[in-house]
Amino acid sequence: EVQLVESGGGLVQPGRSLRLSCAASGFTFDDYAMHWVRQAPGKGLEWVSGISWNSGSIGYADSVKGRFTVSRDNAENSLYLQMNSLRAEDTALYYCAKGRLGELSRPLDYWGQGTLVTVSS
Amino acid sequence: QSVLTQPPSASGTPGQRVTISCSGSSSNIGSKTVNWYQQLPGTAPKLLIYSNNQRPSGVPDRFSGSKSGTSAFLAISGLRSEDEADYYCAAWDDSLSGPVFGGGTKLTVL
Repeated sequence: EVQLVESGGGLVQPGRSLRLSCAASGFTFDDYAMHWVRQAPGKGLEWVSGISWNSGSIGYADSVKGRFTVSRDNAENSLYLQMNSLRAEDTALYYCAKGRLGELSRPLDYWGQGTLVTVSS
Repeated sequence: QSVLTQPPSASGTPGQRVTISCSGSSSNIGSKTVNWYQQLPGTAPKLLIYSNNQRPSGVPDRFSGSKSGTSAFLAISGLRSEDEADYYCAAWDDSLSGPVFGGGTKLTVL
């Protein structure tokens, strides 16, 4: 059974940093692209970042480019999102999602339950 | 403002057929396949339709997808109360080099 478990969320002041983690199990992690998607309270889904199976292809939404960094550790079956210079508008539930294949462009076929990030002073 | 445009709401009575539209452009729906996600209240999104019209294992055949030009459609037939959820379309966007989502459609079963 595919499982994606996010952690690392919390309350953080504007301008500070936070690192999210996603522990994956139930599939061959290094065969698939992985993504972060966020959902602000009461709002829709917004893709944040994605990384291909071998980290050879990485993408970011314009809203986070230059502030967020995605990475993965295939030996640890883990996905990470380093978030710097956080803003109030980054407040959201952050989902880890698995790509259906190794490339970034494939649909997201499994999602975790999310970790909540609140940016506020 | 989402890149893909969906109606904010839709509704139907049990047993009815409902269609949700998703409008995009040549850089996304017009040249790429469309996926649909279902988000039940208080839960994570779930892949409902991929590659325009393919259903993952376990998704009932009451759900179907189609695409025409720069628009895509999700149809739900034999509407049931448990179909009440938010539905999102998505597609890869070549201009943005990432997937884009619609704003979501809240489906109410009357």
